[in-house]
Amino acid sequence: QKEVEQNSGPLSVPEGAIASLNCTYSDRGSQSFFWYRQYSGKSPELIMSIYSNGDKEDGRFTAQLNKASQYVSLLIRDSQPSDSATYLCAVLTGGGSNYKLTFGKGTLLTVNP
Amino acid sequence: SAVISQKPSRDICQRGTSLTIQCQVDSQVTMMFWYRQQPGQSLTLIATANQGSEATYESGFVIDKFPISRPNLTFSTLTVSNMSPEDSSIYLCSPELAKDNQQFFGPGTRLTVL
Repeated sequence: QKEVEQNSGPLSVPEGAIASLNCTYSDRGSQSFFWYRQYSGKSPELIMSIYSNGDKEDGRFTAQLNKASQYVSLLIRDSQPSDSATYLCAVLTGGGSNYKLTFGKGTLLTVNP
Repeated sequence: SAVISQKPSRDICQRGTSLTIQCQVDSQVTMMFWYRQQPGQSLTLIATANQGSEATYESGFVIDKFPISRPNLTFSTLTVSNMSPEDSSIYLCSPELAKDNQQFFGPGTRLTVL
């Protein structure tokens, strides 16, 4: 059973701080990794994707991948109250036409004004 | 990314009845994925539907309970049959992977079974 594990939280940070979200995965063959943001009552929104080891930055978001440690993280700099949401880590497994996106249970982030 | 719409956006149903959820995509896609998100839980893949063939179901999901249709390359339906309160969830459709293996979701159907 391929698994994706996240700290369930909740994670609470003050406005302007850095929020750090972590994820580990079990399938060493995984090649594509994603972070989704989900506001309450809404569907998940893709915010970051990462495919190779190292850091990938997009605005206030930085995704970090370490395939040797099977670890993915998301850093949110200068956190805003509007960042308060559940963040889902997802890992793509399989290949060709037989692939599947496996999700972690999500980390609830609250940014306090 | 494709524009994805779902109908209905939400519904409240009685135990024992069935509900068909529609998913429309604004471009042709070969594969369509259906997910379920139970309250407070993450997303779980129900099945993958290719146009012109039977859907492939994940462990724990069966065709009799969740029949899927895929009449053309832009449309799919998921039926939740003989519903019980345990079926209360958000149901999400998602077309096949876009560029860079990215997957996007429809707005979801929030189902409550009484």
